[in-house]
Amino acid sequence: NAGVTQTPKFRILKIGQSMTLQCTQDMNHNYMYWYRQDPGMGLKLIYYSVGAGITDKGEVPNGYNVSRSTTEDFPLRLELAAPSQTSVYFCASSYDDIGEQYFGPGTRLTVT
Amino acid sequence: AQSVTQLDSQVPVFEEAPVELRCNYSSSVSVYLFWYVQYPNQGLQLLLKYLSGSTLVKGINGFEAEFNKSQTSFHLRKPSVHISDTAEYFCAVRPYSSASKIIFGSGTRLSIRP
Repeated sequence: NAGVTQTPKFRILKIGQSMTLQCTQDMNHNYMYWYRQDPGMGLKLIYYSVGAGITDKGEVPNGYNVSRSTTEDFPLRLELAAPSQTSVYFCASSYDDIGEQYFGPGTRLTVT
Repeated sequence: AQSVTQLDSQVPVFEEAPVELRCNYSSSVSVYLFWYVQYPNQGLQLLLKYLSGSTLVKGINGFEAEFNKSQTSFHLRKPSVHISDTAEYFCAVRPYSSASKIIFGSGTRLSIRP
């Protein structure tokens, strides 16, 4: 099992550009999550999904969109990048809502 | 609403010494409690969790934590640390009712001196 994989590892965007952060898990987990981690801070939940076709907002959803067309994939879309979105983004998955969350290695995004 | 406070941003400790990383939380509802570890340039990994039952929870790598409801604390301890324990540690809480409301503390950086 590869676990949770994220691409790309690094990305630099100009203000106003858009991009999609990819996340895939091969553990057949129902729950998937997107977090951002700002320097010196804990993680903040952006969006989560409890299964294919079902997504919901977390604590900081503004400026982001998600979709969950399959169990395996949970891409995060930034439509109009802003400097405030400079952060490290982590995707995670779990079998159920109180199970252990397995994290990907992260995507470091810089918006200039 | 919930909040999590990790009282120490950095904790330096000598190798083989004991360590305690402190976590306090506030919540108006019952919560689950977690400790995660983040090694440099990696994602988070679950160390242990408290769901119910015994207030002393044992986790991986020799760590344990004690849930204290009256003091709303969930401190992490290890009796003897190793160089390999150098990492950032995050406490998190989540209400019983909602996976979307998980809140992480700001982290404690544990540095081990030989």
